[in-house]
Amino acid sequence: SQQGEEDPQALSIQEGENATMNCSYKTSINNLQWYRQNSGRGLVHLILIRSNEREKHSGRLRVTLDTSKKSSSLLITASRAADTASYFCATASVQGAQKLVFGQGTRLTINP
Amino acid sequence: SQTIHQWPATLVQPVGSPLSLECTVEGTSNPNLYWYRQAAGRGLQLLFYSVGIGQISSEVPQNLSASRPQDRQFILSSKKLLLSDSGFYLCAWRGKGSNQPQHFGDGTRLSIL
Repeated sequence: SQQGEEDPQALSIQEGENATMNCSYKTSINNLQWYRQNSGRGLVHLILIRSNEREKHSGRLRVTLDTSKKSSSLLITASRAADTASYFCATASVQGAQKLVFGQGTRLTINP
Repeated sequence: SQTIHQWPATLVQPVGSPLSLECTVEGTSNPNLYWYRQAAGRGLQLLFYSVGIGQISSEVPQNLSASRPQDRQFILSSKKLLLSDSGFYLCAWRGKGSNQPQHFGDGTRLSIL
């Protein structure tokens, strides 16, 4: 069954603005991960947040996790044109920790 | 540092032809290995994963098979391709232990004619 669901499906903002993407999931997780994919390329890992963590930062990225609501958000601050890509959340469940279940992704466009 | 190689980058095959996509990992040992398929504009569907040589778990019934003949080699195969096998195929690896990220190759764009 589908685990991660991103919202919105597409987001278009001006360079310099902040971008927020949300992810919801259904089952208990070991961790939740965010990935970026440039068009026609493989996925690049951004951040992994464990189920006992609530917030994590990496450069201009901030990820939050609310296990009570089974949701996560990815915030990109001071966006740049190079941030244009698709962003996916993926969950590793407690029962199947070897595997990731990916959402459908958010297509982010940064307008110069 | 670890690297993952996946080839070919693009492939055009006729319906009914065989398929072999190869993925190799360098700089690590005993990784978990994964094959995904991605439809246009969609998320990733896990096809197969392997936790060791000769150990293959299939996630969805389909026209494809996977093999892991060596520790850092993962092969995706088909005896007869279908039109529905078209897509973007991605290989990934991760280290053992909990809370490890996956690392992806650059993918193979497969078109079936």
